[in-house]
Amino acid sequence: ETGVTQTPRHLVMGMTNKKSLKCEQHLGHNAMYWYKQSAKKPLELMFVYSLEERVENNSVPSRFSPECPNSSHLFLHLHTLQPEDSALYLCASSQVPPGLAGYNEQFFGPGTRLTVL
Amino acid sequence: GENVEQHPSTLSVQEGDSAVIKCTYSDSASNYFPWYKQELGKRPQLIIDIRSNVGEKKDQRIAVTLNKTAKHFSLHITETQPEDSAVYFCAASRYGGSQGNLIFGKGTKLSVKP
Repeated sequence: ETGVTQTPRHLVMGMTNKKSLKCEQHLGHNAMYWYKQSAKKPLELMFVYSLEERVENNSVPSRFSPECPNSSHLFLHLHTLQPEDSALYLCASSQVPPGLAGYNEQFFGPGTRLTVL
Repeated sequence: GENVEQHPSTLSVQEGDSAVIKCTYSDSASNYFPWYKQELGKRPQLIIDIRSNVGEKKDQRIAVTLNKTAKHFSLHITETQPEDSAVYFCAASRYGGSQGNLIFGKGTKLSVKP
């Protein structure tokens, strides 16, 4: 176990539903990330939170809304999604600036497999 | 913004042979280049990284080289084994770790045939 957990592991939702993905890290890190993984774009950065503040939003549609209430938890709120949003959503965490190891390895969670009908 | 190109998209080698995956980046300010390995059904994991003040780094059977002038870096795996079969992602960051933002390549699916 890498210390990053995600729930649920699988999610099927209709286009009119509202759901949330949850990520929790037990590594004492201060930065968390959401990635979308699909066949078209294997590891696409969506959001970056550093010290609980959003520092990057890679032009993600507003139907995806992140929330980072503290350094250990990260949410991705979903509403009125499209079928093309079906993908694996990966959460990751790291320590920034780098820790004693000298680099800021990102530790990934197992992902949530999302299917939008 | 940064753009990372990765080649080839698929690579098949015989066990014991070497494998090389190449990446190019566009932002000359990028200074941190990690490689992640993702086995089927599993999460990506860091296997090796290099910073811009170093030209080469080795860790047992894997090595990474960096050419800052040409803006490309490569992953070399020697004496490949079936357990090396996975998707490998290169990435680049201009922050050297201060913010952790990584831009990933599209991945290379490596198959090692026994």
